[in-house]
Parts: sequence; C-alpha cells; structure tokens
Amino acid sequence: DAKTTQPNSMESNEEEPVHLPCNHSTISGTDYIHWYRQLPSQGPEYVIHGLTSNVNNRMASLAIAEDRKSSTLILHRATLRDAAVYYCILRGPLPPNDDMRFGAGTRLTVKP
Amino acid sequence: DGGITQSPKYLFRKEGQNVTLSCEQNLNHDAMYWYRQDPGQGLRLIYYSQIVNDFQKGDIAEGYSVSREKKESFPLTVTSAQKNPTAFYLCASSTGLAETYEQYFGPGTRLTVT
Repeated sequence: DAKTTQPNSMESNEEEPVHLPCNHSTISGTDYIHWYRQLPSQGPEYVIHGLTSNVNNRMASLAIAEDRKSSTLILHRATLRDAAVYYCILRGPLPPNDDMRFGAGTRLTVKP
Repeated sequence: DGGITQSPKYLFRKEGQNVTLSCEQNLNHDAMYWYRQDPGQGLRLIYYSQIVNDFQKGDIAEGYSVSREKKESFPLTVTSAQKNPTAFYLCASSTGLAETYEQYFGPGTRLTVT
C-alpha cells in the first residue's frame, strides 16, 4: 500500500504560486516528510523536508497539517524550470529500505 | 562545484556480460546509495553504504554487487545473474543514513541490455 497519495497532475501559470498536496494518513510519529522532484531522464532533486513544523528554504515552503496526515508543498512563484514530477515520501527510522520508493508523484505543468 | 557524477550516461551491453557503473561524489558524504528506476515507476534501493568498506543490501540486491574502497566512490556491477538489467540507475549520497538527511542524486545511467 502506498504511504502517500498525490494528484496525478496539476497545472500552473508562470509566476503564480503553486500548492502541491500530499496525503499521508498512516504517518507515524517518527516519519519525516520529504519532497523531491524529477525532470525526465534526470536524477531526482531534493526540495524540502520536515517533521512537524512548517519549513521554508530557498526553493519552496512545506506546510504540515497539525495532525500530520497531510502536507502541502508551496512554490511561491512558479517558473518554467519548476515543471517536473514532484514526489512526496515518508522517511522513517533506519534501515533505509523502501522509504525512497517514490510513487507516481504529481506532474506539474507550468504555462507561460 | 560539489556534486555526484555518474558515467556513462548511456550504456549498451549484450546479455550475459557484466557491466560496472561508476559513481563519484565530492560532497564529503559518508552515505551512498544505488537505486533502480523502471519506466513510470519509483525508485527501488539496490545497495547502500554508510561508510568505507561497509555496504548493505537493499530491496533488490540480487544480481548486483558493489564496493566502497574510497569515500568518494561507490561503483555498481550489474552481473549476468540480474534477470532484467535494462533500467535507469541512480546513485545518491547523503551526510548520513538517518531519515533527517536529504539525498543528492547523480544524473543517472541508462543501461540497455539486449
């Protein structure tokens, strides 16, 4: 069973904010929420991660629901370079086995 | 610039041949990983290494072998025993194995075996 659920695809206009949702209703107290993105034929790129509190970095913000059963990746001003597949994953305590098993992710299209 | 390099980008081999994929990092990371990605699917862990001269099997280690003789290098050999070797192979590294650390990925090697 998938640990996270994301919409298959989303569209955004360039320079507008994008909110990418992720549901993880079975998250445990020790699971970190990580987001990666991947362009075709390239390796995944780390975006952001968090445990309980909202997080900000130069790429994005991560808003985590109070019950931790969902989270939202926020791209404040989408650019054409943000078009990619975005993966939300849960990473628990060691050993690192299937926790990087990305699902289908959300394919973000950015329109000029 | 710091990062992870994988070579070659594309690799073609005949069935029955072993092939070694290169992975080098200059991020001074202790942990390194190898993943396999099949079309339209997520990543599956092949092997990981926490420190030099130590490595552990991941979910799908059968038919693969690795070595970690240097901190910077973690080559993967796809042996003839691997039944479906054609795939996109990704190497990654991180400061440590813990779930608190992000992983940095290389550009990948696309292996085609015919």
